[in-house]
Amino acid sequence: EVQLVESGGGLVQPGRSLRLSCVASGFTFDNYAMYWVRLAPGKGLEWVSGINWNSGGIGYADSVKGRFTISRDNAKNSLYLQMNSLRVEDTALYYCAKDKAGAFDYWGQGTLVTVSS
Amino acid sequence: IQLTQSPSSLSASVGDRVTITCRASQGIDNYLAWYQQEPGKAPKLLIYAASSLQSGVPSRFSGSGSGTDFTLTISSLQPEDFATYYCQHLNSYPFAFGPGTKVDIK
Repeated sequence: EVQLVESGGGLVQPGRSLRLSCVASGFTFDNYAMYWVRLAPGKGLEWVSGINWNSGGIGYADSVKGRFTISRDNAKNSLYLQMNSLRVEDTALYYCAKDKAGAFDYWGQGTLVTVSS
Repeated sequence: IQLTQSPSSLSASVGDRVTITCRASQGIDNYLAWYQQEPGKAPKLLIYAASSLQSGVPSRFSGSGSGTDFTLTISSLQPEDFATYYCQHLNSYPFAFGPGTKVDIK
């Protein structure tokens, strides 16, 4: 059974940093691209970042480019999102998701990030 | 690439046929997926590659389109289908979601 478990969320002040993690199981992690998607309160889904299987292809939404860094450790079946210079508008539930070559077929339950003074 | 969805919300009854459209600001071939999200739950993949039904998804869901114009159809709305639906393009980074269509009970 495929499982994706996010962690690392919490309450943080504007301008500070946070690192999210996603541990995967139930599939061959290093065969697949992985992604981060967020859902802000009262808003729709927003794609945040993606990374291919060997970290050779990485992309970011314009809203986080230069502040967030995605990475992965295939030996640990883990995906990460380093979030720096956090803003109030980064407050959201952050999901990790698995690639299906044309879609995101498995999602975690999310980790909540709240940016507030 | 920007995605628009219409309508932004709709009210329908059980048994109704529902159609949601998604338009891309430029051609994306068939690199489009549809998701359903219920409150408090993670999104669920319904359709990938514009028209391929994800395993385990009921056959009342179907997708069509290519290029810039796409459609998600629910042939006979069921009580468990009341949710928000999103399209997503995967043509090239940055991937993007449409703004969503909320389907509620009439």
